[in-house]
Amino acid sequence: GESVGLHLPTLSVQEGDNSIINCAYSNSASDYFIWYKQESGKGPQFIIDIRSNMDKRQGQRVTVLLNKTVKHLSLQIAATQPGDSAVYFCAEKGGANNLFFGTGTRLTVIP
Amino acid sequence: DSGVTQTPKHLITATGQRVTLRCSPRSGDLSVYWYQQSLDQGLQFLIQYYNGEERAKGNILERFSAQQFPDLHSELNLSSLELGDSALYFCASSVGGLDRGGEQYFGPGTRLTVT
Repeated sequence: GESVGLHLPTLSVQEGDNSIINCAYSNSASDYFIWYKQESGKGPQFIIDIRSNMDKRQGQRVTVLLNKTVKHLSLQIAATQPGDSAVYFCAEKGGANNLFFGTGTRLTVIP
Repeated sequence: DSGVTQTPKHLITATGQRVTLRCSPRSGDLSVYWYQQSLDQGLQFLIQYYNGEERAKGNILERFSAQQFPDLHSELNLSSLELGDSALYFCASSVGGLDRGGEQYFGPGTRLTVT
């Protein structure tokens, strides 16, 4: 079956630095990927998505990179702020139109 | 405020019972998604509806069912409840569906506790 995994369960960065959160996926046929953010005590929040026909997509202070060759997805956050502290989940849309989530990476921003 | 509403906010019930969770999407959104988040299972996608039709299905148990009504609100029915069904249930909405992509807006969630 499909699985989505995160390389690091926790990540600490200094305020103002860039953050990179990584995600590996297993289904080479997955055609759509999403990054979510979940702050403590709150529901998930959609950050950015990318289709498999793209390698890169940029949002406001965030960039998602997709490397289909090695089945790797990353989320880059520029100039990380305290408000970016949260758990970040990646998800892939695999076969049968199902979404599979990774376990999450906890990002802590150090002021 | 995402514009997505969910009721009730909290629900406590006993094993074997049946409950209904309700979600109203943002105005103009045709898709509704249901997610389950528990401590041991993490975040899981359950099901997605688009304009009243089921469009995507995740690891939703047979004891669970959902529907989207003509006014686009959705209900998630959970029956024969087990202790392991205790979780946060989130609803999200978007203009399109998973096939088109696009931002999903999440509701505040319903916390279900099965005792």
